[in-house]
Amino acid sequence: EAGVTQFPSHSVIEKGQTVTLRCDPISGHDNLYWYRRVMGKEIKFLLHFVKESKQDESGMPNNRFLAERTGGTYSTLKVQPAELEDSGVYFCASSQVNELSYTFGSGTRLTVV
Amino acid sequence: AQSVTQLDSQVPVFEEAPVELRCNYSSSVSVYLFWYVQYPNQGLQLLLKYLSGSTLVKGINGFEAEFNKSQTSFHLRKPSVHISDTAEYFCAVSDLRDAGGTSYGKLTFGQGTILTVHP
Repeated sequence: EAGVTQFPSHSVIEKGQTVTLRCDPISGHDNLYWYRRVMGKEIKFLLHFVKESKQDESGMPNNRFLAERTGGTYSTLKVQPAELEDSGVYFCASSQVNELSYTFGSGTRLTVV
Repeated sequence: AQSVTQLDSQVPVFEEAPVELRCNYSSSVSVYLFWYVQYPNQGLQLLLKYLSGSTLVKGINGFEAEFNKSQTSFHLRKPSVHISDTAEYFCAVSDLRDAGGTSYGKLTFGQGTILTVHP
């Protein structure tokens, strides 16, 4: 089966610009998660979808971040406007219902200059 | 609140030597424990997990970990490492949460341990 796919793999943008990250989960996985690793720090939870509904967005840093999951399939994470501290690696993961372990994507490395 | 501490940020070791990567956690509820590995330029891959049952858990690539509830530890071990084991390893803890009738896990990660295997 195809794994979790993230686009783009790398993105370099200027401060103040907008960037949209995309995640395609494994087909049939209702749970979709976003995590982020800022340089030198641990990987931290951002939010969790069950199908198209946000169940837990307690980790979203501020209102410059907007996550959506269209029709319960792929998800996007938009950062608008981007700030320097948003730089890091953004991971997406998915799992089946009631499954505790996830499958992670390769991540998107975002650099804000 | 949960937390995970990986006691070593970097572990250098020679090929074919044994290795132990240490992980301690704290949690006020029953936990589920994981080790993930990130090889260079790749995503996170599940090495092994402890959900219940035997405290000695075997994973992929010859790795194993032992859950020790009294010491709140979940150390990762391999008796003989290879060059290809060079990677960053993450310990994580999850609790069980309810989301509208279904369950999910929210991972709390440690800071990561970079394992470098030298020839």
